[in-house]
Amino acid sequence: KNEVEQSPQNLTAQEGEFITINCSYSVGISALHWLQQHPGGGIVSLFMLSSGKKKHGRLIATINIQEKHSSLHITASHPRDSAVYICAVPISSGSARQLTFGSGTQLTVLP
Amino acid sequence: DAGITQSPRHKVTETGTPVTLRCHQTENHRYMYWYRQDPGHGLRLIHYSYGVKDTDKGEVSDGYSVSRSKTEDFLLTLESATSSQTSVYFCAIRDREGMNTEAFFGQGTRLTVV
Repeated sequence: KNEVEQSPQNLTAQEGEFITINCSYSVGISALHWLQQHPGGGIVSLFMLSSGKKKHGRLIATINIQEKHSSLHITASHPRDSAVYICAVPISSGSARQLTFGSGTQLTVLP
Repeated sequence: DAGITQSPRHKVTETGTPVTLRCHQTENHRYMYWYRQDPGHGLRLIHYSYGVKDTDKGEVSDGYSVSRSKTEDFLLTLESATSSQTSVYFCAIRDREGMNTEAFFGQGTRLTVV
């Protein structure tokens, strides 16, 4: 069983719609990361959060540590938001804690 | 953008040949990572480095070796490439170990083993 589960795996929306992507994890963590991967492959960090909510432009990330759940919201979606969104959490592996990644949510926003 | 460069960006190689991928950073970050990304899987850690000449294995290290002879360069070598190693490879850097620090990723290397 994957320690980090994302849903949905694929999401198609119309421009302007409010979008929610979910991430659930199975272990206690100190922080969760949301990443964005555009066509062409580059990965950029969107948020790193350990409690509550963070906002950057039209993107909002929330986390509930007790419920082991995080959501990424996009308000007023735009075709340029089309990308793969990935959540990642630190999980112990060997002698260190390493980021474990969800398999990603492919978002397509249609004009 | 963080100064992190992967080379080559694309490579096609034959089964059984050795291949080396390079990750170069200009941020003087201590921690460097190699991941592979495959359909249906999240990014999976191959090897990581926590300093010059200090490296450790990740969850999918078989068939790969790494070297870090200076802070700015982290090399990933496929000793004898196999078709199962066809993947997109990402390098990442972080300045400290704590998981509350941001990771920066390279643009990726698409490797095809034929």
